[in-house]
Amino acid sequence: GQQLNQSPQSMFIQEGEDVSMNCTSSSIFNTWLWYKQDPGEGPVLLIALYKAGELTSNGRLTAQFGITRKDSFLNISASIPSDVGIYFCAGQAAGNKLTFGGGTRVLVKP
Amino acid sequence: SAVISQKPSRDICQRGTSLTIQCQVDSQVTMMFWYRQQPGQSLTLIATANQGSEATYESGFVIDKFPISRPNLTFSTLTVSNMSPEDSSIYLCSVEGGSGTDTQYFGPGTRLTVL
Repeated sequence: GQQLNQSPQSMFIQEGEDVSMNCTSSSIFNTWLWYKQDPGEGPVLLIALYKAGELTSNGRLTAQFGITRKDSFLNISASIPSDVGIYFCAGQAAGNKLTFGGGTRVLVKP
Repeated sequence: SAVISQKPSRDICQRGTSLTIQCQVDSQVTMMFWYRQQPGQSLTLIATANQGSEATYESGFVIDKFPISRPNLTFSTLTVSNMSPEDSSIYLCSVEGGSGTDTQYFGPGTRLTVL
């Protein structure tokens, strides 16, 4: 079945830093989605990408749909403490099903 | 986006019992899905809840263990049957295809612990 490789698995951020995470797949997707999940909550949609090459921003977040349709990245600029959480990429092929990456856990540097 | 609620938000259950989780949406939606998120893991699709017909299950999930109902376009239930500790997870419903839902949005989840 389809698999998404998301990296890094975890990262430490310091306030003000820019951070980046990405997902790659062996299969083509029609849509790439990025979600954030806080403890005890369901995933919240951050950005949806519908076209290969598309670059979309949502505040301090920027995501791109790779030109090969097999990858996507998410950047967070000028990170703040509330950026802590788990970020998931998800690819959507035909039939509305989502395939999720393993998640990137964003933590604050001690 | 649609407002999605789930009941219960959490529960602790005994082995061998069953729990029914409800998902309610504030608007009619075309698609409803049920996911499982095991501790520290990503989300795995259990099934697509089809209105007026049997749910479509993913590989590894069966109707006897996870019966699903979807009586209308705003409501669905997932039952976790004959539970064992391995069923301890967060169960999430998601919706797509209604007013303001051009992609999948998730409910808050139901955290289930089986003793």
